[in-house]
Amino acid sequence: EPEVTQTPSHQVTQMGQEVILRCVPISNHLYFYWYRQILGQKVEFLVSFYNNEISEKSEIFDDQFSVERPDGSNFTLKIRSTKLEDSAMYFCASSGGQEYNEQFFGPGTRLTVL
Amino acid sequence: AQKVTQAQTEISVVEKEDVTLDCVYETRDTTYYLFWYKQPPSGELVFLIRRNSFDEQNEISGRYSWNFQKSTSSFNFTITASQVVDSAVYFCALGAGGTSYGKLTFGQGTILTVHP
Repeated sequence: EPEVTQTPSHQVTQMGQEVILRCVPISNHLYFYWYRQILGQKVEFLVSFYNNEISEKSEIFDDQFSVERPDGSNFTLKIRSTKLEDSAMYFCASSGGQEYNEQFFGPGTRLTVL
Repeated sequence: AQKVTQAQTEISVVEKEDVTLDCVYETRDTTYYLFWYKQPPSGELVFLIRRNSFDEQNEISGRYSWNFQKSTSSFNFTITASQVVDSAVYFCALGAGGTSYGKLTFGQGTILTVHP
């Protein structure tokens, strides 16, 4: 069964460093998303991506964040200068060709900023 | 703006009890979707069900059932004869219309613990 994969599963970084979280969405999907979940809290939408551009972004997704689909299979989230409060689980998701299709989530990357 | 409220922060039951997880949503959109996801201790998000705003039929899948009531903006989830493996955090989510491309708004989640 096709699935969304994410690497790494756990990333530890120092405050101020840049991190890149990687995702491989399901191959025939067209919509891609990043969400984050601070420990013990709800899952929050960060950004959606379609046709090689951002469709929508939340207030959380400020200038330190960026997304890219560099090669037609990977979907990356870059945090330029990490802060302590960026520590969270980051989930990638993808969905098919229609707006309300089920979103398939990856297993998540746990980011720890020290 | 969309909002999802799961008023029950934690529920604790004994195996074989039935348990209902409540979800209330707010949206101004006439077309929207509702979802339930399960997050086991391993951390991944497991899709359970999607329901669109035009379909108020209740749904049953094995021990799981869902009650969608548009009049009260609720989409409750019942687990019948709960099992220890049902222990997890359960999230209700709303996918709204317009140009949101399926952005999901999640509730705070309900931690369900099923004791043997």
